[in-house]
Amino acid sequence: DAGVIQSPRHEVTEMGQEVTLRCKPISGHNSLFWYRQTMMRGLELLIYFNNNVPIDDSGMPEDRFSAKMPNASFSTLKIQPSEPRDSAVYFCASSLGQNEAFFGQGTRLTVV
Amino acid sequence: GESVGLHLPTLSVQEGDNSIINCAYSNSASDYFIWYKQESGKGPQFIIDIRSNMDKRQGQRVTVLLNKTVKHLSLQIAATQPGDSAVYFCAAERGGADGLTFGKGTHLIIQP
Repeated sequence: DAGVIQSPRHEVTEMGQEVTLRCKPISGHNSLFWYRQTMMRGLELLIYFNNNVPIDDSGMPEDRFSAKMPNASFSTLKIQPSEPRDSAVYFCASSLGQNEAFFGQGTRLTVV
Repeated sequence: GESVGLHLPTLSVQEGDNSIINCAYSNSASDYFIWYKQESGKGPQFIIDIRSNMDKRQGQRVTVLLNKTVKHLSLQIAATQPGDSAVYFCAAERGGADGLTFGKGTHLIIQP
């Protein structure tokens, strides 16, 4: 398996634009997580899905953030409109039940 | 909620020595713990995990110790090598797959 695949690896966008981050979890995993990493706040859990259903989105910072998981092999995290303070590395991770979560390589987002 | 913290942001050790990285968690209901290693530009990589029904688990050159009484977790790396240089995160989870809460990370620096 290729592991968790995220795209794009890097994204630079202007403030106010819509940004969509994509994730393909490991086949067979039933939980998917979106994390955000910054120097100030470390790794923060934004939202997680279990069997494609959002379970807890309490970590989503604002209504500008939304996430979907239309099927077991794909998830998106959307920011609309984007702001400079959204600049961070966004990680997607997947797991099978309560076992180790495997992380993707991340998307480095820069909002100017 | 859960909070997870590491005692030292940076740890410097001599190559060949043993390294010990410590972590504290707040939620006594946490029952699953993981150590991750993150190298520059990459996503966190699983090292070792431990469940709350154990107090010690060993892997290849790594040992995790769990003290539930004081809510403390440690990672021991034997015979530290240059390739061990990275940021190490501890993470805790309560109940089934509800998302890991991460500590801020300890940067392990290997001195030649």
